Amino acid sequence: NAGVTQTPKFQVLKTGQSMTLQCAQDMNHEYMSWYRQDPGMGLRLIHYSVGAGITDQGEVPNGYNVSRSTTEDFPLRLLSAAPSQTSVYFCASKYTPSSYNEQFFGPGTRLTVL
Amino acid sequence: AQSVTQLDSHVSVSEGTPVLLRCNYSSSYSPSLFWYVQHPNKGLQLLLKYTSAATLVKGINGFEAEFKKSETSFHLTKPSAHMSDAAEYFCVVSENSGYALNFGKGTSLLVTP
Repeated sequence: NAGVTQTPKFQVLKTGQSMTLQCAQDMNHEYMSWYRQDPGMGLRLIHYSVGAGITDQGEVPNGYNVSRSTTEDFPLRLLSAAPSQTSVYFCASKYTPSSYNEQFFGPGTRLTVL
Repeated sequence: AQSVTQLDSHVSVSEGTPVLLRCNYSSSYSPSLFWYVQHPNKGLQLLLKYTSAATLVKGINGFEAEFKKSETSFHLTKPSAHMSDAAEYFCVVSENSGYALNFGKGTSLLVTP
């Protein structure tokens, strides 16, 4: 298994540009999520999905869209990038939403918005 | 809502000495608690988890943590630090629904020769 994969690893955008961060998992996990990591802040939840066709907002959803058309993929879209979205983005998945289950994290995407 | 507080933002130890990383939690339920480690420019790896079974939890690489309900603590320990333990450590509590993880702000562990 490849686990959780993310592309790209690095990205530089200009303010106002849009882009999609890709996330895929090959473990047949129901639950997938996106976090952003900022210095001294830990990780904060952006959006999550408990299955294909079902998504919901996390703690910091503004400026981001998600969709879940398949079990494997959970892309994160930045509609109009802002410097405040400069961050490291992590995708994660777990077998079911149960609080007992471990989340598996991807390697991250480092995004800079100029 | 559940939350965690990591009491130290930086901890420095000498190689071969014990490691103690402190975490307090706040939860109105019996929580699920985790410790994750992040090495520089890497993703997050699970060290150990507590899910209401044994209060002393053993993890990978010699780490363990003890769940103390009376103190609302879940401190991470290791008897003898290794240079490869230098990393950022996150204490994490799961929302009861399982939909969200709430992360502490992290503790940076420095191991000196």
